[in-house]
Amino acid sequence: NAGVTQTPKFRVLKTGQSMTLLCAQDMNHEYMYWYRQDPGMGLRLIHYSVGEGTTAKGEVPDGYNVSRLKKQNFLLGLESAAPSQTSVYFCATTRDAYYEQYFGPGTRLTVT
Amino acid sequence: KQEVTQIPAALSVPEGENLVLNCSFTDSAIYNLQWFRQDPGKGLTSLLLIQSSQREQTSGRLNASLDKSSGRSTLYIAASQPGDSATYLCAARGGATNKLIFGTGTLLAVQP
Repeated sequence: NAGVTQTPKFRVLKTGQSMTLLCAQDMNHEYMYWYRQDPGMGLRLIHYSVGEGTTAKGEVPDGYNVSRLKKQNFLLGLESAAPSQTSVYFCATTRDAYYEQYFGPGTRLTVT
Repeated sequence: KQEVTQIPAALSVPEGENLVLNCSFTDSAIYNLQWFRQDPGKGLTSLLLIQSSQREQTSGRLNASLDKSSGRSTLYIAASQPGDSATYLCAARGGATNKLIFGTGTLLAVQP
């Protein structure tokens, strides 16, 4: 039982490059989230999903896209990376709004 | 808009001391409040979840309380140990967005 896993753990991109971050969960949770964590700003919600095939915008969605084609996977895409997207990205899942959120180990992304 | 504040930003205590971490939120219409621990370079580990109908939750040496009317939650750590050193984050779910809104955390250092 791996819980929540994230791929890759680290990545360095050049401005304008694209990449996809993968979040996978084996807890059969409906809700999945993508957050970014920046010093002094706490965690901020980028996009989220309340079930397979659904996605919705969070607090800071600009520059990101997401997809949830399978219940267990939630993908975060950066089409044209910018230095402002340098951050640590966390995926989280929960059974529903009244239960605990469980977090993955994070992806540290640097855009130069 | 829900805002979550944690004071102090950093705290240093000697081993064995009992301590209290504070969390305040501006919108009392929350569903629940969750406390997390984050070790350097790691993801978030859920410690306690308090539903809006509850006053407190306990797990081992940890006790979290919730007072919705005053918009406050506290995390009490008994008999602190060096292994408790980490950043502690609180997050409130509910209000207009029904999302988890995070505080910026309290960095705790327990000195041997």
